[in-house]
Amino acid sequence: SQQGEEDPQALSIQEGENATMNCSYKTSINNLQWYRQNSGRGLVHLILIRSNEREKHSGRLRVTLDTSKKSSSLLITASRAADTASYFCATDLIKAAGNKLTFGGGTRVLVKP
Amino acid sequence: DAGVTQSPTHLIKTRGQQVTLRCSPKSGHDTVSWYQQALGQGPQFIFQYYEEEERQRGNFPDRFSGHQFPNYSSELNVNALLLGDSALYLCASSPLARETQYFGPGTRLLVL
Repeated sequence: SQQGEEDPQALSIQEGENATMNCSYKTSINNLQWYRQNSGRGLVHLILIRSNEREKHSGRLRVTLDTSKKSSSLLITASRAADTASYFCATDLIKAAGNKLTFGGGTRVLVKP
Repeated sequence: DAGVTQSPTHLIKTRGQQVTLRCSPKSGHDTVSWYQQALGQGPQFIFQYYEEEERQRGNFPDRFSGHQFPNYSSELNVNALLLGDSALYLCASSPLARETQYFGPGTRLLVL
């Protein structure tokens, strides 16, 4: 079963608009990460937010984390056509023996020029 | 600095056959993880290798096995292929104790 679930499953916006997607998870985490995937290729790491952080920024990306609600959001501001991709949240519970990522089903974002 | 590389990029097999996929980690990374991504879904963790040993394993049958070599490169082997094994197989590497994993471009496997 998947730890994280993204919402919405798909999103279509105009270039220049903001895109917001949400992720919910079930169990306690060490950190939560967001990845981007273009056309079924490899995943690109976007941002990592630790369980003791509430908000983090990276360029046009803003991520929030609410551990009490077990949820996170990713905001892409001033979207561009190149932002068209699938976005995945992944939770990481680091154990002594190693760490693994548990992914949600993803949000497919289409940015129309 | 080369990133994570995987070979082959595409592969077609028939049911019952065996397949081996290969991964070279990013320079300086000693931990390799493998994920399976079915079409339209998120990646699922298969297993992770460190110091040539399997350190963690996801919910995959024993038909899925792996190996890590002294140079940290890794192989994923799948025996007795099923139609449901058709997927994109992703390799990711990281330095031990770091959370960020760096993914390769994947190997797309089609089982007919």
